[in-house]
Amino acid sequence: GQQLNQSPQSMFIQEGEDVSMNCTSSSIFNTWLWYKQDPGEGPVLLIALYKAGELTSNGRLTAQFGITRKDSFLNISASIPSDVGIYFCAGRRDNYGQNFVFGPGTRLSVLP
Amino acid sequence: NAGVTQTPKFRVLKTGQSMTLLCAQDMNHEYMYWYRQDPGMGLRLIHYSVGEGTTAKGEVPDGYNVSRLKKQNFLLGLESAAPSQTSVYFCASSPLRGRGPGYTFGSGTRLTVV
Repeated sequence: GQQLNQSPQSMFIQEGEDVSMNCTSSSIFNTWLWYKQDPGEGPVLLIALYKAGELTSNGRLTAQFGITRKDSFLNISASIPSDVGIYFCAGRRDNYGQNFVFGPGTRLSVLP
Repeated sequence: NAGVTQTPKFRVLKTGQSMTLLCAQDMNHEYMYWYRQDPGMGLRLIHYSVGEGTTAKGEVPDGYNVSRLKKQNFLLGLESAAPSQTSVYFCASSPLRGRGPGYTFGSGTRLTVV
């Protein structure tokens, strides 16, 4: 089946630092989503990307749809303690279906 | 507006016991899903439904059954629980077509099979 890889698997950063993570696939995707999961909760949608090269921001978060359509990137600027959690990417190959495949997640820890 | 509600939040089963996980959504979404989340594995799709009365298998359907008798409810059943089914289970829903907001997830059910 389709596989997504996320890098890094986990990261520890100091409060105030910027964060970068990525998601890669061996297949081309037409939609990329980024979710955040707080401890003990379900994932919550952060950003949705629909076009190659698209760059979209949500507050301190910025995500990009890779030009090759096989990857996506998420950046967090000036991290704060509440950024702690697991960040998942999800992709789908068609434009209107609802069957996404999820990456294994990047676990972010923010040290005060 | 509650979104997606899952019950129970926690459950411990003995091997061989059966149980049903309940999922309810109040957003009039057509699609509903059941995922399991295991460490390092991300979210894996168990079963999904594209509308009332319809269900389909996902990536890891073995050992599970589902029913969608009403549009707002999606039930996940374990007929004979096994330790390998120890996991966190998430229900999600989404609208029928279009770009939409992607999935809306419930807060999860943590199941332990001993």
